[in-house]
Amino acid sequence: GQQLNQSPQSMFIQEGEDVSMNCTSSSIFNTWLWYKQEPGEGPVLLIALYKAGELTSNGRLTAQFGITRKDSFLNISASIPSDVGIYFCAGQTGANNLFFGTGTRLTVIP
Amino acid sequence: NAGVTQTPKFQVLKTGQSMTLQCAQDMNHNSMYWYRQDPGMGLRLIYYSASEGTTDKGEVPNGYNVSRLNKREFSLRLESAAPSQTSVYFCASQIILSGGGTDTQYFGPGTRLTVL
Repeated sequence: GQQLNQSPQSMFIQEGEDVSMNCTSSSIFNTWLWYKQEPGEGPVLLIALYKAGELTSNGRLTAQFGITRKDSFLNISASIPSDVGIYFCAGQTGANNLFFGTGTRLTVIP
Repeated sequence: NAGVTQTPKFQVLKTGQSMTLQCAQDMNHNSMYWYRQDPGMGLRLIYYSASEGTTDKGEVPNGYNVSRLNKREFSLRLESAAPSQTSVYFCASQIILSGGGTDTQYFGPGTRLTVL
């Protein structure tokens, strides 16, 4: 399957700090997606990106679809304790082809 | 509107036992998916069903079978469970639009399976 490299693997930050994580691939994707997963739950979509170069925000979250279509990043500004969870990037090539990164585990220290 | 539901939430099996994981969605989505999630590996697609009556293999189909019972339900069966199938299993559904466009995949809460 497609290999998506997500970094960092984990982050420990103080409440109020900004967070940045990214995802790279050797393959081109048509869509990039960012999900958040909390303990005991399935992934929930945060942001979807459909065009190379697209920059999209959702509240304190901002994500960009890389120009090469092989990468994407997610920023979280002014982190709060409820931001804790595992964040996954996912690249999609077709309707049924969704490939996930390995996740970034975020811990926010109050 | 419950979204995607999965049963059971937890299951422990002995090697060689069989079981079926159930998934149902009430969003009238045409496509449904089964993933497994292992530590450090992200989610990997096992099987999917693009529409009622069709199923296709994903990235890691070996050891599994699926049934798309109707538009709402998509089950995953382990005929002879192995320790390597210890994982968290997620079902998802998605609507595929007539022009080929898609909405996002919506995930269920997962089934945590341990095979001893």
